[in-house]
Amino acid sequence: DAGVIQSPRHEVTEMGQEVTLRCKPISGHDYLFWYRQTMMRGLELLIYFNNNVPIDDSGMPEDRFSAKMPNASFSTLKIQPSEPRDSAVYFCADRDRDTEAFFGQGTRLTVV
Amino acid sequence: AQSVSQHNHHVILSEAASLELGCNYSYGGTVNLFWYVQYPGQHLQLLLKYFSGDPLVKGIKGFEAEFIKSKFSFNLRKPSVQWSDTAEYFCAVNARGGGNKLTFGTGTQLKVEL
Repeated sequence: DAGVIQSPRHEVTEMGQEVTLRCKPISGHDYLFWYRQTMMRGLELLIYFNNNVPIDDSGMPEDRFSAKMPNASFSTLKIQPSEPRDSAVYFCADRDRDTEAFFGQGTRLTVV
Repeated sequence: AQSVSQHNHHVILSEAASLELGCNYSYGGTVNLFWYVQYPGQHLQLLLKYFSGDPLVKGIKGFEAEFIKSKFSFNLRKPSVQWSDTAEYFCAVNARGGGNKLTFGTGTQLKVEL
């Protein structure tokens, strides 16, 4: 298995534009997490899914953020409209019940 | 709700020095515990994990951690650090039966000097 795959690796966009981050989890893993990492706030859990269903989205900062998991092999995190303070590294991670989490390589987002 | 505290935010050591990074969690039930490492510019990778059994867990690259239930602690240790251990270290907890939500500490930045 190639592990958790995220795309793009880097994204530079202008303020106000829509940004979509993508994640392909490891086959068979039931839980998928979206994290955001910044110097100021560290690693924050934004939302997580179990069997494609959102379980806890209390970490999503604002209505500008939304996440979907239409099937077991794909998830998106969308920011619309984007703002400079959204600049961060966004990680997707997955796990099976009672295993460790496996992280993707991350998407470095810069909003200018 | 579960939470994790890492008290050392920045640690600077010389090569060959011993390392101990503190991690305390708050949750009254049964937990799974993890240490992850993030090398500069990379993603988080698992160092070691505790699920049950021997509370002294050995991981990769000579790291180990000890689960002390009475202290709600899971400190990370290495007898002799190397320059290549320079990285950020994260402790994480998962409350069993708590929705499998993995909660991370704020991380400890370790710098090893030659």
